[in-house]
Amino acid sequence: KAGVTQTPRYLIKTRGQQVTLSCSPISGHRSVSWYQQTPGQGLQFLFEYFSETQRNKGNFPGRFSGRQFSNSRSEMNVSTLELGDSALYLCASSFGLGTEAFFGQGTRLTVV
Amino acid sequence: DQQVKQNSPSLSVQEGRISILNCDYTNSMFDYFLWYKKYPAEGPTFLISISSIKDKNEDGRFTVFLNKSAKHLSLHIVPSQPGDSAVYFCAAKDAGANSKLTFGKGITLSVRP
Repeated sequence: KAGVTQTPRYLIKTRGQQVTLSCSPISGHRSVSWYQQTPGQGLQFLFEYFSETQRNKGNFPGRFSGRQFSNSRSEMNVSTLELGDSALYLCASSFGLGTEAFFGQGTRLTVV
Repeated sequence: DQQVKQNSPSLSVQEGRISILNCDYTNSMFDYFLWYKKYPAEGPTFLISISSIKDKNEDGRFTVFLNKSAKHLSLHIVPSQPGDSAVYFCAAKDAGANSKLTFGKGITLSVRP
């Protein structure tokens, strides 16, 4: 069974640009969550989607948004990038709400 | 406000000995706890979990203990192996139909051969 797949693995963007990251969950999993990992703040919850609906949102500005498609694949978008958005962005999938989360390898975003 | 705390940033143990990784939490609404292991440039890998209705859960070399009154949990690895060297994250989830995890900042475990 394939794991959680995130693309791209690495990305370099310029301040002010926008970026879209993609996540394909484990087959059969319907819940997708996104996390940001930085050296100073650790792993922080961004948002969670289930059945194409955002179910939960972390404490991030509105520049961070996401969506989920009918096949459970998810994308997250960051607009007007800032240097502080440089981080490892991790996607996790779960079979349902409240079950164990399995993580992808992450997308390393560098904003210059 | 850090709701999940891993106060020791690093731990070094001899191969074959026990590794004890500690975690404290402040939110009484947390009812499910997980440990993840992470290697550099990879995503966290689920290790073991425990529900608040239990005080111990064991899976092979890994055992998690939960002390609800102290809001404290610990992960024991016995015997420790060099391949266990990684960053270990404690995470907690509240009672509810959501998958949101609150993570500690992690402990770097080094197992010396």
